[in-house]
Amino acid sequence: EAQVTQNPRYLITVTGKKLTVTCSQNMNHEYMSWYRQDPGLGLRQIYYSMNVEVTDKGDVPEGYKVSRKEKRNFPLILESPSPNQTSLYFCASSFAGGLNYGYTFGSGTRLTVV
Amino acid sequence: DQQVKQNSPSLSVQEGRISILNCDYTNSMFDYFLWYKKYPAEGPTFLISISSIKDKNEDGRFTVFLNKSAKHLSLHIVPSQPGDSAVYFCAASAGADGLTFGKGTHLIIQP
Repeated sequence: EAQVTQNPRYLITVTGKKLTVTCSQNMNHEYMSWYRQDPGLGLRQIYYSMNVEVTDKGDVPEGYKVSRKEKRNFPLILESPSPNQTSLYFCASSFAGGLNYGYTFGSGTRLTVV
Repeated sequence: DQQVKQNSPSLSVQEGRISILNCDYTNSMFDYFLWYKKYPAEGPTFLISISSIKDKNEDGRFTVFLNKSAKHLSLHIVPSQPGDSAVYFCAASAGADGLTFGKGTHLIIQP
């Protein structure tokens, strides 16, 4: 089944403890992206990647890092999480120029930083 | 500065009637527009899209209209069904950049 898989689905952590949210897609998509969803703010892009070793900042990149060493994986790294990064995170992927078909989203990761 | 705006946080429509969800944008560089549907505890799913060279795109019960001069697009759902109850996000893209999303509209279909 074609899908985007995020792990974990739920995570509670403490301020300052480094964490990684993994994202993997099995559709050979070139484009991958991370979004966060917050009440009243909709979906905001954190980082995106056009292909392996090509990453760029989205609208809200502060406090996050990403890497794209393999085509299928696009992990989101929080080096020193803070409570304002408590949010619902979505990973998405598509073929390059694949907007005709939209993005495929993962099921989300709900992160709580205390 | 919010580039994609959905000014109605929620919309209630009777089953069988038409649902119209609206979206406004400010960035004239946007050349592709999409609508996503999201159920609780799931990721958004792609619904329908439209290129800026068109003014209408239809797919079954869903039609998207684009008015470039007004920087406005709308999603029409006819007839509305209970399973259409969800949050709908409008999104826009300018070239190779990622998508910019609106805040969403919660559509409630009443029996």
